[in-house]
Amino acid sequence: DAGVTQSPTHLIKTRGQQVTLRCSPKSGHDTVSWYQQALGQGPQFIFQYYEEEERQRGNFPDRFSGHQFPNYSSELNVNALLLGDSALYLCASSRPFTGELFFGEGSRLTVL
Amino acid sequence: GENVEQHPSTLSVQEGDSAVIKCTYSDSASNYFPWYKQELGKGPQLIIDIRSNVGEKKDQRIAVTLNKTAKHFSLHITETQPEDSAVYFCAASSTNSGGSNYKLTFGKGTLLTVNP
Repeated sequence: DAGVTQSPTHLIKTRGQQVTLRCSPKSGHDTVSWYQQALGQGPQFIFQYYEEEERQRGNFPDRFSGHQFPNYSSELNVNALLLGDSALYLCASSRPFTGELFFGEGSRLTVL
Repeated sequence: GENVEQHPSTLSVQEGDSAVIKCTYSDSASNYFPWYKQELGKGPQLIIDIRSNVGEKKDQRIAVTLNKTAKHFSLHITETQPEDSAVYFCAASSTNSGGSNYKLTFGKGTLLTVNP
């Protein structure tokens, strides 16, 4: 049983560019959440998707947007990249009615 | 919103000793408290969790305690081994009636080093 898979694992962008990160949830999971983890910090909640809708959002600007597809996979899009967007972006999935989040290995974004 | 404080930020122990990491939370509505282990270059791995209707939970060498009145919870690792070396994060969340988490608020992490 594959866990949460994310792609790409590493990427480098320049300021002002746009990036799309992808996530496939663990089998049987229907909810996907995205977190940003800066170096030396704990993950911070960006948003959560369930039934193809954004259900909850953290304190992130509109430059951060997402999407969930009918097969429960998800994308995170970040526009107009800033140097401060450099971080590890983590996707987590969960099963209905259990609450436990299972994280992927993350996508390491570097903005130059 | 929720605020989670975690300490210590670093902890060094000898192999076989016990390690204790403590967290406090601010939102009395929080009712789910997981602990994650993150190894270098990897995503966080859930190691144990506790819900607000339980005061203590144990899984082999790992235990978690919760004091709702004081709003603090702790991770206890006994008989530590070098492979326990990692960054540990506590988190807090409130769930809806269906039991699906909305979001986790994490502490800043504890770097645990177990010396052979």
